[in-house]
Amino acid sequence: AQKVTQAQTEISVVEKEDVTLDCVYETRDTTYYLFWYKQPPSGELVFLIRRNSFDEQNEISGRYSWNFQKSTSSFNFTITASQVVDSAVYFCALQKAPMDSNYQLIWGAGTKLIIKP
Amino acid sequence: DAGVIQSPRHEVTEMGQEVTLRCKPISGHNSLFWYRQTMMRGLELLIYFNNNVPIDDSGMPEDRFSAKMPNASFSTLKIQPSEPRDSAVYFCASSFGGNNGYTFGSGTRLTVV
Repeated sequence: AQKVTQAQTEISVVEKEDVTLDCVYETRDTTYYLFWYKQPPSGELVFLIRRNSFDEQNEISGRYSWNFQKSTSSFNFTITASQVVDSAVYFCALQKAPMDSNYQLIWGAGTKLIIKP
Repeated sequence: DAGVIQSPRHEVTEMGQEVTLRCKPISGHNSLFWYRQTMMRGLELLIYFNNNVPIDDSGMPEDRFSAKMPNASFSTLKIQPSEPRDSAVYFCASSFGGNNGYTFGSGTRLTVV
């Protein structure tokens, strides 16, 4: 069975602190994809990153970075020098390699991140 | 591209009424997904289409819910009759190839009173 666990329900930090959101996944597939989405207070869901199971290189995009480790089945997300605008719910998701047009995502429960000024 | 367009943004209706939510996916995307989000259950996949064909509707709560995709540029999610427990934010998302990440619409906030 596939599963995504975001154990941190809510995290609160002061602006400019670094913060890491954890994501642990379970799958028996060798080919799969991992995603992070952001849902700010306005409610829309924003795609942040996609990573396939064969690419374990860490990704950096500005203040955002992602650490993918197959050995621990984790795909953690770090925000450096956090800002108030980073306050949102962040979702991690898993997708198996599409077969028979099955493109479903398995979603984590989300982590609510609060950045205090 | 205008992104995934959903209408209406907000809908308030009385119990028993029919509700129709609409979605226009991004041009060229061949997969379309309907999700429901509530505080209690989080994000739930209701149904998804690939090349306009429903692939999996196992997430549709019950027969009161139905979805159609008559062409590549339009989909509807209908609830008839609506009930207060259907109150939620309904998201439509589209994707090309399925594993490139979804683009979500802004959602429709449905309130059934």
